[in-house]
Amino acid sequence: DTEVTQTPKHLVMGMTNKKSLKCEQHMGHRAMYWYKQKAKKPPELMFVYSYEKLSINESVPSRFSPECPNSSLLNLHLHALQPEDSALYLCASSQGRDSGTEAFFGQGTRLTVV
Amino acid sequence: GESVGLHLPTLSVQEGDNSIINCAYSNSASDYFIWYKQESGKGPQFIIDIRSNMDKRQGQRVTVLLNKTVKHLSLQIAATQPGDSAVYFCAEIGDSNYQLIWGAGTKLIIKP
Repeated sequence: DTEVTQTPKHLVMGMTNKKSLKCEQHMGHRAMYWYKQKAKKPPELMFVYSYEKLSINESVPSRFSPECPNSSLLNLHLHALQPEDSALYLCASSQGRDSGTEAFFGQGTRLTVV
Repeated sequence: GESVGLHLPTLSVQEGDNSIINCAYSNSASDYFIWYKQESGKGPQFIIDIRSNMDKRQGQRVTVLLNKTVKHLSLQIAATQPGDSAVYFCAEIGDSNYQLIWGAGTKLIIKP
Protein backbone atom coordinates (compact mmCIF):
# COMPACT_ATOMS: atom_id res chain seq x y z
CA ASP A 1 0.00 0.00 0.00
CA THR A 2 1.65 3.21 -1.19
CA GLU A 3 -1.30 5.47 -0.66
CA VAL A 4 -1.86 8.52 1.43
CA THR A 5 -5.59 9.00 1.91
CA GLN A 6 -7.09 12.40 2.62
CA THR A 7 -10.64 13.26 3.59
CA PRO A 8 -12.70 15.12 2.68
CA LYS A 9 -11.84 15.80 -0.97
CA HIS A 10 -13.71 19.10 -0.92
CA LEU A 11 -14.71 21.35 1.95
CA VAL A 12 -16.59 24.62 2.05
CA MET A 13 -16.65 26.35 5.41
CA GLY A 14 -17.66 29.67 6.83
CA MET A 15 -15.25 31.91 8.72
CA THR A 16 -16.83 31.00 12.06
CA ASN A 17 -16.86 27.25 11.48
CA LYS A 18 -14.61 24.59 12.97
CA LYS A 19 -13.64 21.71 10.73
CA SER A 20 -10.92 19.07 10.49
CA LEU A 21 -8.95 17.57 7.64
CA LYS A 22 -7.82 13.99 7.97
CA CYS A 23 -4.91 12.05 6.54
CA GLU A 24 -3.94 8.40 6.81
CA GLN A 25 -0.99 6.31 5.64
CA HIS A 26 -0.09 2.66 6.26
CA MET A 27 3.43 2.61 4.85
CA GLY A 28 5.11 2.78 8.24
CA HIS A 29 6.55 6.21 7.43
CA ARG A 30 8.12 8.16 10.29
CA ALA A 31 7.43 11.63 8.94
CA MET A 32 4.11 13.20 8.00
CA TYR A 33 3.52 16.63 6.55
CA TRP A 34 0.88 19.24 5.87
CA TYR A 35 1.30 21.46 2.85
CA LYS A 36 -0.79 24.32 1.51
CA GLN A 37 -0.90 24.86 -2.23
CA LYS A 38 -2.30 27.87 -4.05
CA ALA A 39 -3.15 27.72 -7.74
CA LYS A 40 -0.13 27.63 -10.07
CA LYS A 41 2.31 27.55 -7.14
CA PRO A 42 4.38 24.80 -5.58
CA PRO A 43 3.28 23.34 -2.25
CA GLU A 44 4.24 25.35 0.84
CA LEU A 45 5.25 23.43 3.90
CA MET A 46 3.13 24.05 6.99
CA PHE A 47 3.95 21.36 9.53
CA VAL A 48 6.16 18.30 9.89
CA TYR A 49 5.62 15.50 12.35
CA SER A 50 8.43 13.10 13.08
CA TYR A 51 7.74 10.04 15.22
CA GLU A 52 4.35 11.57 16.11
CA LYS A 53 5.97 14.74 17.46
CA LEU A 54 5.73 18.15 15.86
CA SER A 55 9.21 18.92 14.56
CA ILE A 56 8.60 21.83 12.18
CA ASN A 57 6.00 24.59 12.27
CA GLU A 58 6.59 27.03 9.43
CA SER A 59 5.16 30.01 11.31
CA VAL A 60 1.63 28.93 10.54
CA PRO A 61 -1.20 30.99 12.10
CA SER A 62 -2.80 29.42 15.15
CA ARG A 63 -6.12 29.07 13.34
CA PHE A 64 -4.47 25.95 11.88
CA SER A 65 -3.85 23.30 14.53
CA PRO A 66 -2.19 19.99 13.61
CA GLU A 67 -2.58 16.78 15.52
CA CYS A 68 -0.95 13.38 15.14
CA PRO A 69 -3.02 10.82 17.11
CA ASN A 70 -0.76 7.92 16.06
CA SER A 71 1.90 7.03 13.52
CA SER A 72 -0.65 6.47 10.75
CA LEU A 73 -2.93 9.44 11.23
CA LEU A 74 -2.54 13.18 10.84
CA ASN A 75 -5.26 15.77 11.35
CA LEU A 76 -5.45 19.48 10.67
CA HIS A 77 -8.00 21.34 12.76
CA LEU A 78 -9.35 24.54 11.26
CA HIS A 79 -10.99 27.38 13.15
CA ALA A 80 -11.86 30.95 12.25
CA LEU A 81 -10.27 30.78 8.83
CA GLN A 82 -10.08 33.65 6.38
CA PRO A 83 -11.03 33.60 2.68
CA GLU A 84 -7.32 33.81 1.78
CA ASP A 85 -6.88 30.40 3.44
CA SER A 86 -8.78 28.85 0.54
CA ALA A 87 -6.34 26.45 -1.13
CA LEU A 88 -5.50 22.81 -1.76
CA TYR A 89 -4.26 21.21 1.46
CA LEU A 90 -1.94 18.31 0.89
CA CYS A 91 -0.82 15.64 3.30
CA ALA A 92 2.36 13.68 2.64
CA SER A 93 4.49 11.06 4.34
CA SER A 94 8.04 9.84 3.99
CA GLN A 95 10.60 7.68 5.70
CA GLY A 96 13.02 10.55 5.99
CA ARG A 97 16.33 11.48 4.43
CA ASP A 98 18.33 8.30 4.81
CA SER A 99 16.11 5.64 3.33
CA GLY A 100 14.00 5.93 0.19
CA THR A 101 13.08 9.41 1.05
CA GLU A 102 10.64 10.45 -1.60
CA ALA A 103 7.47 11.86 -0.09
CA PHE A 104 4.14 10.32 -1.03
CA PHE A 105 1.28 12.77 -1.35
CA GLY A 106 -2.43 12.42 -0.91
CA GLN A 107 -4.90 13.83 -3.42
CA GLY A 108 -5.53 16.83 -1.26
CA THR A 109 -8.53 18.59 0.25
CA ARG A 110 -9.80 21.52 -1.78
CA LEU A 111 -10.81 24.04 0.88
CA THR A 112 -12.99 27.05 0.20
CA VAL A 113 -13.57 29.57 2.98
CA VAL A 114 -16.63 31.76 2.50
CA GLY B 1 19.83 30.79 0.90
CA GLU B 2 18.72 27.65 -0.81
CA SER B 3 16.52 27.85 -3.87
CA VAL B 4 15.34 25.59 -6.62
CA GLY B 5 14.03 27.21 -9.78
CA LEU B 6 12.77 26.35 -13.22
CA HIS B 7 13.73 28.08 -16.44
CA LEU B 8 10.37 27.83 -18.27
CA PRO B 9 6.92 28.16 -16.76
CA THR B 10 5.17 26.53 -19.75
CA LEU B 11 6.40 24.01 -22.31
CA SER B 12 4.41 22.97 -25.39
CA VAL B 13 5.43 19.74 -27.08
CA GLN B 14 4.05 17.80 -30.02
CA GLU B 15 2.64 14.41 -29.11
CA GLY B 16 5.28 11.77 -29.76
CA ASP B 17 8.20 14.16 -29.39
CA ASN B 18 10.60 14.17 -26.46
CA SER B 19 10.17 16.73 -23.67
CA ILE B 20 12.94 18.28 -21.63
CA ILE B 21 12.13 20.17 -18.45
CA ASN B 22 14.93 22.05 -16.75
CA CYS B 23 15.64 23.06 -13.19
CA ALA B 24 18.40 25.03 -11.48
CA TYR B 25 19.39 24.79 -7.85
CA SER B 26 21.67 26.96 -5.76
CA ASN B 27 22.76 24.78 -2.83
CA SER B 28 25.86 22.90 -3.94
CA ALA B 29 25.63 20.76 -0.79
CA SER B 30 22.27 19.27 -1.83
CA ASP B 31 22.52 15.57 -2.38
CA TYR B 32 19.03 14.39 -3.28
CA PHE B 33 16.67 15.60 -5.98
CA ILE B 34 13.18 14.55 -6.94
CA TRP B 35 10.84 15.18 -9.85
CA TYR B 36 7.11 15.28 -9.18
CA LYS B 37 4.21 15.35 -11.63
CA GLN B 38 1.00 17.07 -10.61
CA GLU B 39 -2.11 16.61 -12.72
CA SER B 40 -4.99 19.00 -12.40
CA GLY B 41 -6.94 18.45 -9.17
CA LYS B 42 -4.50 15.88 -7.83
CA GLY B 43 -1.60 15.73 -5.43
CA PRO B 44 2.01 15.60 -6.63
CA GLN B 45 3.10 12.17 -7.82
CA PHE B 46 6.69 10.98 -7.52
CA ILE B 47 8.29 10.34 -10.91
CA ILE B 48 11.99 9.79 -10.36
CA ASP B 49 14.81 10.79 -8.06
CA ILE B 50 18.57 11.09 -8.21
CA ARG B 51 21.35 11.38 -5.70
CA SER B 52 24.35 13.62 -6.12
CA ASN B 53 26.75 10.71 -6.65
CA MET B 54 25.00 10.01 -9.97
CA ASP B 55 24.82 11.95 -13.24
CA LYS B 56 21.94 10.12 -14.84
CA ARG B 57 19.09 7.89 -13.86
CA GLN B 58 16.52 6.26 -16.09
CA GLY B 59 12.99 5.15 -15.45
CA GLN B 60 10.17 4.13 -17.69
CA ARG B 61 10.18 6.75 -20.49
CA VAL B 62 11.82 9.26 -18.14
CA THR B 63 15.44 10.18 -17.57
CA VAL B 64 16.84 12.59 -15.01
CA LEU B 65 20.19 14.24 -15.61
CA LEU B 66 22.19 15.99 -12.92
CA ASN B 67 25.02 18.41 -13.71
CA LYS B 68 26.62 19.34 -10.41
CA THR B 69 29.14 21.65 -12.04
CA VAL B 70 26.46 24.09 -13.11
CA LYS B 71 23.88 22.99 -10.52
CA HIS B 72 21.37 21.96 -13.14
CA LEU B 73 18.77 19.20 -13.19
CA SER B 74 16.65 18.07 -16.12
CA LEU B 75 13.79 15.68 -16.73
CA GLN B 76 13.50 14.08 -20.13
CA ILE B 77 10.26 12.41 -21.16
CA ALA B 78 10.46 10.20 -24.23
CA ALA B 79 7.64 9.97 -26.77
CA THR B 80 5.40 12.40 -24.91
CA GLN B 81 1.78 11.29 -24.56
CA PRO B 82 -1.41 13.21 -23.74
CA GLY B 83 -1.33 11.69 -20.27
CA ASP B 84 1.95 13.50 -19.63
CA SER B 85 0.10 16.82 -19.49
CA ALA B 86 0.70 18.16 -16.00
CA VAL B 87 2.79 20.56 -13.97
CA TYR B 88 6.24 19.19 -13.23
CA PHE B 89 8.10 20.24 -10.09
CA CYS B 90 11.70 19.61 -9.21
CA ALA B 91 12.44 19.43 -5.52
CA GLU B 92 15.51 19.17 -3.39
CA ILE B 93 16.06 17.82 0.07
CA GLY B 94 17.48 20.70 2.06
CA ASP B 95 19.67 20.68 5.14
CA SER B 96 16.87 19.37 7.32
CA ASN B 97 16.13 15.70 7.24
CA TYR B 98 12.63 16.12 5.90
CA GLN B 99 12.16 19.41 4.16
CA LEU B 100 11.57 19.56 0.42
CA ILE B 101 12.60 22.75 -1.37
CA TRP B 102 10.42 23.15 -4.44
CA GLY B 103 10.99 24.72 -7.79
CA ALA B 104 8.34 26.98 -9.31
CA GLY B 105 6.92 24.29 -11.63
CA THR B 106 6.69 23.86 -15.40
CA LYS B 107 3.38 23.24 -17.11
CA LEU B 108 3.74 20.70 -19.90
CA ILE B 109 1.19 21.02 -22.71
CA ILE B 110 0.88 18.29 -25.31
CA LYS B 111 -0.18 19.34 -28.79
CA PRO B 112 -2.05 16.71 -30.82
